[in-house]
Amino acid sequence: DAKTTQPPSMDCAEGRAANLPCNHSTISGNEYVYWYRQIHSQGPQYIIHGLKNNETNEMASLIITEDRKSSTLILPHATLRDTAVYYCIATGDSGYSTLTFGKGTMLLVSP
Amino acid sequence: NAGVTQTPKFQVLKTGQSMTLQCAQDMNHNSMYWYRQDPGMGLRLIYYSASEGTTDKGEVPNGYNVSRLNKREFSLRLESAAPSQTSVYFCASRREGVPSYEQYFGPGTRLTVT
Repeated sequence: DAKTTQPPSMDCAEGRAANLPCNHSTISGNEYVYWYRQIHSQGPQYIIHGLKNNETNEMASLIITEDRKSSTLILPHATLRDTAVYYCIATGDSGYSTLTFGKGTMLLVSP
Repeated sequence: NAGVTQTPKFQVLKTGQSMTLQCAQDMNHNSMYWYRQDPGMGLRLIYYSASEGTTDKGEVPNGYNVSRLNKREFSLRLESAAPSQTSVYFCASRREGVPSYEQYFGPGTRLTVT
């Protein structure tokens, strides 16, 4: 897995877009970027993943730079329920699809 | 469709006691995983099972054993609990597909060893 770097914490006002950055400068060509989140006391939840194109689903958008060295997870209209730790994982070479979770970014959404 | 279920939700053990954490999934997934999470830390992989009848060690397997009883169930056993095993334990299963690192997690078991 490529090493990822995320800010330890971020704040966002309710209703505004939350943009969570992730640096993965050593990512290799066959590694995907995955995002998970963990709401307090719950199990992690898959959000989205991408290889090189931007991706969007009902939860979020993922923007990957052209050189693939960084990405941004966008929650377009953050709500209080989006307060969670967000994990960025760059992986793709594990035969058993194991995940390595770092410390992530604690996103606090405030009223 | 319950997803991934874990029992018990909470457990307190004395040092040296044994117990088994149960996990089941109803999504017909082949791969299942056990993680532990210590306060302020990310998740660490204990064991995983790529299919029924197979298991492999993860990052922190010492002090644990696992059984993949059938496709649905994957249990984690602590033979002689130690205070260092106080943690929150999560079970997960993986959606099939290539690539797929989409894992679905259970609600966790909070274990305290005194």
